[in-house]
Amino acid sequence: DQQVKQNSPSLSVQEGRISILNCDYTNSMFDYFLWYKKYPAEGPTFLISISSIKDKNEDGRFTVFLNKSAKHLSLHIVPSQPGDSAVYFCAASYTNAGKSTFGDGTTLTVKP
Amino acid sequence: NAGVTQTPKFQVLKTGQSMTLQCAQDMNHNSMYWYRQDPGMGLRLIYYSASEGTTDKGEVPNGYNVSRLNKREFSLRLESAAPSQTSVYFCASISGQGFNSPLHFGNGTRLTVT
Repeated sequence: DQQVKQNSPSLSVQEGRISILNCDYTNSMFDYFLWYKKYPAEGPTFLISISSIKDKNEDGRFTVFLNKSAKHLSLHIVPSQPGDSAVYFCAASYTNAGKSTFGDGTTLTVKP
Repeated sequence: NAGVTQTPKFQVLKTGQSMTLQCAQDMNHNSMYWYRQDPGMGLRLIYYSASEGTTDKGEVPNGYNVSRLNKREFSLRLESAAPSQTSVYFCASISGQGFNSPLHFGNGTRLTVT
């Protein structure tokens, strides 16, 4: 049973518009959530995170929202830029962010 | 700073062969991890080392062994490679300063087992 799901394998948006990437989880024990970004032939890099005691965290153009009752989180990128084109992984953990459970990723394409 | 360095970048093995994937970090991190990523899928934890001298199994440990050689280095060994182990392997480290520090990943080793 997949505990972290990213139901959209791909997303295409126009430069300057908002990108919204979604993630659902099933394990109510998860208390820390992270988003990683991955370019081809590189390792994932950390983007933004949120603790379960919060419902929103912002870092520049990136905002993560957490809805605990729905077991759902989303990543908003505003405005989207061509350099944001990458695979985005949602990850969830409890007690140790190193032992994260990852979703399958969403490939974001931002068109100029 | 190099961060997390993995060698080799690419490897092709025949079924039954063995090999060791090397990983080193220069960030003085306490904890190190090995993940694998299969095509179209997320990363799955193979083994981890919370601190020098300790190792523990992750979600998918079968067919692998690990060694935490010192604080910097954490190697992954395939004793008898199988086609199901064809994957991209990522090593990562974490500072351990609080439980909620993000992973720092290397650029991966792409392994093909024929």
